Amino acid sequence: EAQVTQNPRYLITVTGKKLTVTCSQNMNHEYMSWYRQDPGLGLRQIYYSMNVEVTDKGDVPEGYKVSRKEKRNFPLILESPSPNQTSLYFCASSYGGTQYFGPGTRLLVL
Amino acid sequence: DQQVKQNSPSLSVQEGRISILNCDYTNSMFDYFLWYKKYPAEGPTFLISISSIKDKNEDGRFTVFLNKSAKHLSLHIVPSQPGDSAVYFCAASASGGANSKLTFGKGITLSVRP
Repeated sequence: EAQVTQNPRYLITVTGKKLTVTCSQNMNHEYMSWYRQDPGLGLRQIYYSMNVEVTDKGDVPEGYKVSRKEKRNFPLILESPSPNQTSLYFCASSYGGTQYFGPGTRLLVL
Repeated sequence: DQQVKQNSPSLSVQEGRISILNCDYTNSMFDYFLWYKKYPAEGPTFLISISSIKDKNEDGRFTVFLNKSAKHLSLHIVPSQPGDSAVYFCAASASGGANSKLTFGKGITLSVRP
């Protein structure tokens, strides 16, 4: 089954404790991206990757890092999480102009 | 500066009637538009798209209309069903459908009353 998976689905952490949210797709898509969804703000792009070893900032990259060492995986790294990064995060991969989203990771930073 | 605007945060419609969800954009470089549907606790799922070379695209109960001169698109759902109750996001890109960044609106919550 073609899909985008994210782990963990839910995470509660404390300020400053580094965390990684994994994202994997099995569709051989070159383009992958991360979004955060916040009430009243819709979906905002954090980072994207056009292909392996090619990443670039989206609209709200501050406080986040990504890596793309292999085509299928695109982890999102929060080196020092802060409460304003409490949000719902979605990974997506793209074929043509259509992006396919993972199920989401709900993060709470205390 | 919001480039994709969904000005109505919510819409309530009777089952069987038409739902019309509106979206406006400001960036004249946008040439590919999509609608996504999102249920609680799930990721957005692709619904329908339209290229700027067209003014209408239809898929079953869903039709998207594009008015380039007005920088406006709309999603029509006919007939509306309770299972259509969800948040609908309008999105746009500027690369003619190639892999590129999508800019999303804030979403519209559609409620279909039985």
